Amino acid sequence: KAGVTQTPRYLIKTRGQQVTLSCSPISGHRSVSWYQQTPGQGLQFLFEYFSETQRNKGNFPGRFSGRQFSNSRSEMNVSTLELGDSALYLCASSTSSSYNSPLHFGNGTRLTVT
Amino acid sequence: DAKTTQPTSMDCAEGRAANLPCNHSTISGNEYVYWYRQIHSQGPQYIIHGLKNNETNEMASLIITEDRKSSTLILPHATLRDTAVYYCILRFEAGNNRKLIWGLGTSLAVNP
Repeated sequence: KAGVTQTPRYLIKTRGQQVTLSCSPISGHRSVSWYQQTPGQGLQFLFEYFSETQRNKGNFPGRFSGRQFSNSRSEMNVSTLELGDSALYLCASSTSSSYNSPLHFGNGTRLTVT
Repeated sequence: DAKTTQPTSMDCAEGRAANLPCNHSTISGNEYVYWYRQIHSQGPQYIIHGLKNNETNEMASLIITEDRKSSTLILPHATLRDTAVYYCILRFEAGNNRKLIWGLGTSLAVNP
């Protein structure tokens, strides 16, 4: 079974631009979560989707948004990029929202903002 | 929100067992203990999880104390490829990954 796929793997953008990151969950997984990881910080929760509905949102500004499609694929968008948005963005999927259902992560998109 | 405490770093000799501790003294009855690891430049990899009983799979064993206030992840025969950051987290609310608290984990170095 294919794992969680995130594209692109690397991205370089300049301040003020916007970016869209894509996540394809494991087949059959309906729950997708997004995280930001920066050096010296643990994973910071961005948002979580289940069956195309956003269930939870982390403490990030409105420049960060996301959506989930009917095939469970998900995208996140960051508008008006800032230098501090440089990070590894991780997507995780699971079979359901149950806390007995492990999250499975992709290898992330490394975003560099210059 | 429930939190875990882990040592910042540990060393282990190749071929020996690696025992990674995690303290979760404020754990509540319905919280699962999850372990993940992250190798540089990759996403976290799921290892194992448990509620109150000890668990074992092909990767590791999870030992949870009877009072559930701490747990230990055991890698029975550590290899160089087990060098990674290991995260212990608590997961307790269905449909709410927002409440997962990821600390900085334990950086495990497996030495030849």
